Amino acid sequence: SQQGEEDPQALSIQEGENATMNCSYKTSINNLQWYRQNSGRGLVHLILIRSNEREKHSGRLRVTLDTSKKSSSLLITASRAADTASYFCATALNTGGFKTIFGAGTRLFVKA
Amino acid sequence: NAGVTQTPKFRVLKTGQSMTLLCAQDMNHEYMYWYRQDPGMGLRLIHYSVGEGTTAKGEVPDGYNVSRLKKQNFLLGLESAAPSQTSVYFCASSYSPAGERYYGYTFGSGTRLTVV
Repeated sequence: SQQGEEDPQALSIQEGENATMNCSYKTSINNLQWYRQNSGRGLVHLILIRSNEREKHSGRLRVTLDTSKKSSSLLITASRAADTASYFCATALNTGGFKTIFGAGTRLFVKA
Repeated sequence: NAGVTQTPKFRVLKTGQSMTLLCAQDMNHEYMYWYRQDPGMGLRLIHYSVGEGTTAKGEVPDGYNVSRLKKQNFLLGLESAAPSQTSVYFCASSYSPAGERYYGYTFGSGTRLTVV
């Protein structure tokens, strides 16, 4: 299995609801990032949380990191139809070098 | 500020043909990467570069070669395309790979390659 695994694989919600996606990983990390990918486009960096941080906010995004459980969550509050996309977590391993591993993503569909 | 630009956006190759994918970034980033994205598998690192004139293998380098002759450009070559190389290819760049000065990757919009 991969270092970073998102859960759920797919999520469908109504506009205005909150969306929560989770990411689990296996080995020690330097930082964890979340990216968004709209259909047919490249990934866009949303937020980065370092291993010594527990929570970060950016607009309607809230990311938490629990290094003891090796997990992170991305919360999108008051979802909009425009939030429909795939969301990926990426873990930068703490082994030096260039090991940033992407998960397979969560597909979010926000119904208007 | 264009960010990361990939060309071409789409390409269909016959098995055995060769091609080069071009990636250009205008952010003066030292680090550049090539990933492939396949359904249900996330992104897998093919090759990367830590600076002009340097390249290194990633997770899935077989069948690909790369060159970084200029800091702003990172080329991915397929010498003899195979159907297994049908994928979406993404180039990315970053200021640094990790640490306090790392703020994530900037990705290009991708190249959709089909090998028949």
